[in-house]
Amino acid sequence: SQTIHQWPATLVQPVGSPLSLECTVEGTSNPNLYWYRQAAGRGLQLLFYSVGIGQISSEVPQNLSASRPQDRQFILSSKKLLLSDSGFYLCAWGTSGYNEQFFGPGTRLTVL
Amino acid sequence: AQSVAQPEDQVNVAEGNPLTVKCTYSVSGNPYLFWYVQYPNRGLQFLLKYITGDNLVKGSYGFEAEFNKSQTSFHLKKPSALVSDSALYFCAVGPNDYKLSFGAGTTVTVRA
Repeated sequence: SQTIHQWPATLVQPVGSPLSLECTVEGTSNPNLYWYRQAAGRGLQLLFYSVGIGQISSEVPQNLSASRPQDRQFILSSKKLLLSDSGFYLCAWGTSGYNEQFFGPGTRLTVL
Repeated sequence: AQSVAQPEDQVNVAEGNPLTVKCTYSVSGNPYLFWYVQYPNRGLQFLLKYITGDNLVKGSYGFEAEFNKSQTSFHLKKPSALVSDSALYFCAVGPNDYKLSFGAGTTVTVRA
């Protein structure tokens, strides 16, 4: 069966510090990978998605970047965090066709 | 363009009563429709999907949803709600270039 991992689970970082969040998927090959941010426990904002190694599509211009160095690894990064980067970050994987997506447990990021 | 609307921010029901969470969609072509549930500080869990076929779809935890093409709706239902069904529910529609469009979410509270 497929599983998706995210770490860390929680993170508190000062403004201006760098960020690296990691997501890995097991049990599937060539998944589509997604990063979402959820603010205030409500709607989901799609940040990035990837349909293959090295292929990244950005949905919203912002302070963040994403990379996919391996087939089942997706990394969310920032060089300098802003207060507005605080939120709950969710990684998801899906398959082409029906676009069904499966979500990881999330990372709670607090920027102080 | 595709979109989803969840007209109710909050739904409150008594345990044992029927539960309905509403969703309407807008998409060109045939829609792929999904329901997810999110418990506090957790990732989204997939409940059910409609791709084609029978308009009544059965999913996890006793939930079902009815696809209505003429009303462009995909309402989530449960005949007898449990306190443990209290959570945030998201409707989503695809496909669109590998992406899903999520609704803003509906908070369900089931009182004992």
